[in-house]
Amino acid sequence: AQSVTQPDIHITVSEGASLELRCNYSYGATPYLFWYVQSPGQGLQLLLKYFSGDTLVQGIKGFEAEFKRSQSSFNLRKPSVHWSDAAEYFCAVGASSQGAQKLVFGQGTRLTINP
Amino acid sequence: DAEITQSPRHKITETGRQVTLACHQTWNHNNMFWYRQDLGHGLRLIHYSYGVQDTNKGEVSDGYSVSRSNTEDLPLTLESAASSQTSVYFCASSDGWQETQYFGPGTRLLVL
Repeated sequence: AQSVTQPDIHITVSEGASLELRCNYSYGATPYLFWYVQSPGQGLQLLLKYFSGDTLVQGIKGFEAEFKRSQSSFNLRKPSVHWSDAAEYFCAVGASSQGAQKLVFGQGTRLTINP
Repeated sequence: DAEITQSPRHKITETGRQVTLACHQTWNHNNMFWYRQDLGHGLRLIHYSYGVQDTNKGEVSDGYSVSRSNTEDLPLTLESAASSQTSVYFCASSDGWQETQYFGPGTRLLVL
């Protein structure tokens, strides 16, 4: 069975600084990988996803993520954060046998932005 | 615009009561899912459905049931609510094997 670890529960960065949120997964075959964002009191919104092909994936709101098979990682990055990026971020993995379905989520990383 | 809605948005109930949370999507998606979100656990899958009359258990299905009588709705029933089921519940839907799951706004449930 697949699993996801987000090592950082809470990260604080200054507005305009770069951001990297870590995600490590465990799955025996090629995974389907996702990053979702949840603003306070809201549902989850997809930022980006990786199924195959180019390991550097571009998403919405200026985010990107890189799939590194050798490190079992799918870290999320943004070159310059904005105050509106403050939210909770979830990494998720789907088993290739289930397509994009039956996702397993990490515990989440809460991002705080200092003005 | 197509959307996915959940009702109620907030619910307080007592232990032992039956509770049903509604989920309705207007995208005509075949796949629907229920998750619960708890601090320190992220989202965990409760039940899912790949079409009408199809239901499957997820990771944390004990104490919950679902039924799928049409494409648009997947109600989640807590047969006898327990304090351990206090949580935020999210419904999601998707259209196909590799398609994105779209999430509803969530229902916050408190079991006293």
